Amino acid sequence: NAGVTQTPKFQVLKTGQSMTLQCAQDMNHEYMSWYRQDPGMGLRLIHYSVGAGITDQGEVPNGYNVSRSTTEDFPLRLLSAAPSQTSVYFCASRSTVSGNQPQHFGDGTRLSIL
Amino acid sequence: GIQVEQSPPDLILQEGANSTLRCNFSDSVNNLQWFHQNPWGQLINLFYIPSGTKQNGRLSATTVATERYSLLYISSSQTTDSGVYFCAVRTQGGSEKLVFGKGTKLTVNP
Repeated sequence: NAGVTQTPKFQVLKTGQSMTLQCAQDMNHEYMSWYRQDPGMGLRLIHYSVGAGITDQGEVPNGYNVSRSTTEDFPLRLLSAAPSQTSVYFCASRSTVSGNQPQHFGDGTRLSIL
Repeated sequence: GIQVEQSPPDLILQEGANSTLRCNFSDSVNNLQWFHQNPWGQLINLFYIPSGTKQNGRLSATTVATERYSLLYISSSQTTDSGVYFCAVRTQGGSEKLVFGKGTKLTVNP
C-alpha cells in the first residue's frame, strides 16, 4: 500500500540546471498537487491537476512546469533552477469519490540549489 | 483569500502533560485537516475534520465550523509527539488549494 511516492528524497543542483521531481500515487485519485515548504512556513501550492490532461496554476507557479499524462503520475519540472527554489517539495493527491476527501501527502523531496 | 491562524506558535511541555492547539480560519470551509510534521519532515495525516469531533487514541479534534475554529487536543503527551502541527483548510466552492497555517511547534521534554 504505497500511497503517494516521491523521488528523489534529496537532490542538490547547480543554478541553471534542470530537473524533474517525480510523484506517483496508486490510489486512483483524480486530484494531484505540488506544494513547497520554506523554513518557518506552511505549505504553498505550486500547481495542481484535476485529472489526466488537465493542469492549473496554484499560488507560486513561476519557474515550474507540470503535465499529467496518466492518472498515476504528476511530475514537477524545474527548467532552470534558481537558489530561490531551494525548498522541500511535497506532492499530494485526493479522491473525489463520495464528496470531499482528505489530501494524502508524500514524504517530500529536499532540494538545494547552489 | 482565506486566512488561517494557529496558536500558540510554540509550546513546550513535560512528558505526560495535556495540551490544546487552536486553528482559526476566516471563511467557510469544506475541508479541514490536521497534520503532524515529524522531525524527519514527514507530514502525517491526523484528522480530516471539517466539522464535529473525532478521537484517535490520545489525540482528539473538534471543529466548530459556524464559529470558524478547530481545536486539537493532545493528552498524556510523549516525546514522540514533538514536531510541528499544521492546520490546513480548503474553502467552499474554491480551488483545489489547501491553505496552511504557520503551524504550532511542540516540544515534549522527558
